Amino acid sequence: AQSVTQPDIHITVSEGASLELRCNYSYGATPYLFWYVQSPGQGLQLLLKYFSGDTLVQGIKGFEAEFKRSQSSFNLRKPSVHWSDAAEYFCAVPNYGGSQGNLIFGKGTKLSVKP
Amino acid sequence: GAVVSQHPSRVICKSGTSVKIECRSLDFQATTMFWYRQFPKQSLMLMATSNEGSKATYEQGVEKDKFLINHASLTLSTLTVTSAHPEDSSFYICSASRRGPNYGYTFGSGTRLTVV
Repeated sequence: AQSVTQPDIHITVSEGASLELRCNYSYGATPYLFWYVQSPGQGLQLLLKYFSGDTLVQGIKGFEAEFKRSQSSFNLRKPSVHWSDAAEYFCAVPNYGGSQGNLIFGKGTKLSVKP
Repeated sequence: GAVVSQHPSRVICKSGTSVKIECRSLDFQATTMFWYRQFPKQSLMLMATSNEGSKATYEQGVEKDKFLINHASLTLSTLTVTSAHPEDSSFYICSASRRGPNYGYTFGSGTRLTVV
């Protein structure tokens, strides 16, 4: 069965600094990949997704992610973090091994932004 | 486009009562709706999958008699927490999947349930 690993539980960056959130997946082929953001007490908002083609994907709010097959990674990046980016970030893949078609999520990375 | 409206956003109920949570897809037809539970500072745990017009499929360990799911139309799915107890207090989120060229998943805004 596939899985998603987000190695960093909590990251703190200064406002204006660059950001990279790590995501590694385990799957025999190239999966669809998603990044979501969740503000406290809210649902999940899609930042970007990768299905195929160009391995550098642009998303909303200035985020981008790069798919690297050799590293089984799909890291999320932002060149300059804003205080409003403080939130929880989840990487996800579809559950190809199950019959439900649901997403499988990593454990999430909480981003804190210092002024 | 692709909005899922989830209500209520917060609910406090007494132990032993039932609570219904609604999720509506506003601008698309959601043939499949997923219900997740999220504990504080944790990821989303799939509880069940509902398909329009058929019985929901529950994940292992989820009590189907406690968490009743109804997906009677292509735009509405409901989760009813029956005989709620304090341990049912949690954040519940629905998600609708879209097939075809607009493949993806849209999430509701979540419901904070507190059982007192």
